[in-house]
Amino acid sequence: QTVVTQEPSLTVSPGGTVTLTCASSTGAVANINYPNWFQQRPGQAPRPLIYSTYNAHSWTPARFSGSLLGGKAALTLSDVQPEDEADYYCLLYYGDARVFGGGTKLTVL
Amino acid sequence: QVQLQESGPGLVKSSETLSLTCSVFGDSIRRGFYWNWIRQHPGKGLEWIGHIYYSGRTSYNPSLKSRITMSVDTSKNQISLKLSSVTAADTAVYYCARDTGYQLTHPWGPGTLVTVSS
Repeated sequence: QTVVTQEPSLTVSPGGTVTLTCASSTGAVANINYPNWFQQRPGQAPRPLIYSTYNAHSWTPARFSGSLLGGKAALTLSDVQPEDEADYYCLLYYGDARVFGGGTKLTVL
Repeated sequence: QVQLQESGPGLVKSSETLSLTCSVFGDSIRRGFYWNWIRQHPGKGLEWIGHIYYSGRTSYNPSLKSRITMSVDTSKNQISLKLSSVTAADTAVYYCARDTGYQLTHPWGPGTLVTVSS
């Protein structure tokens, strides 16, 4: 069974930059896996940030960007703000199947 | 904008079947999207349960496949999920979400908490 792995937790200072990654047990993540990134705050449903590797939604702040990096999908946050503290999930597509990563808890401190 | 709303019993007895419905407002199920069910165990991450295409074609998480049935009711613009032989491990918030084939669109349903009791 396919496993998608994210960093369990990361800490970043306000104004700093942090990169979250999303790795696949099947090998290098590619555009065909259509990486999606979601932000989830406590008590809320996840909100999409990025789809198909690097496409941002209209509500996604410009400081969020998606890419492929070293065989993984990546979400980079620049000029991190306190309100960016949340859980972040990636989702990969494998043909008809979908697999979520375990999530990264981002702390802004 | 599309709105999704999950509904169903909040409490299910162990070994019984969990049944949930996702009502779709502001869009037609027939427009050709995939309709996903996703769950989140308390304090844990997201788990893809499966999806159903408007035509009725399904794809399920292999770990749950033997217990899942999804269906679509185009007349009511609803999709449904049935999960059989539930245990406490099925206690979770269940979400539905629309899928274009390359993204899960916004918004998801608000989610509904289902608790399995012994």
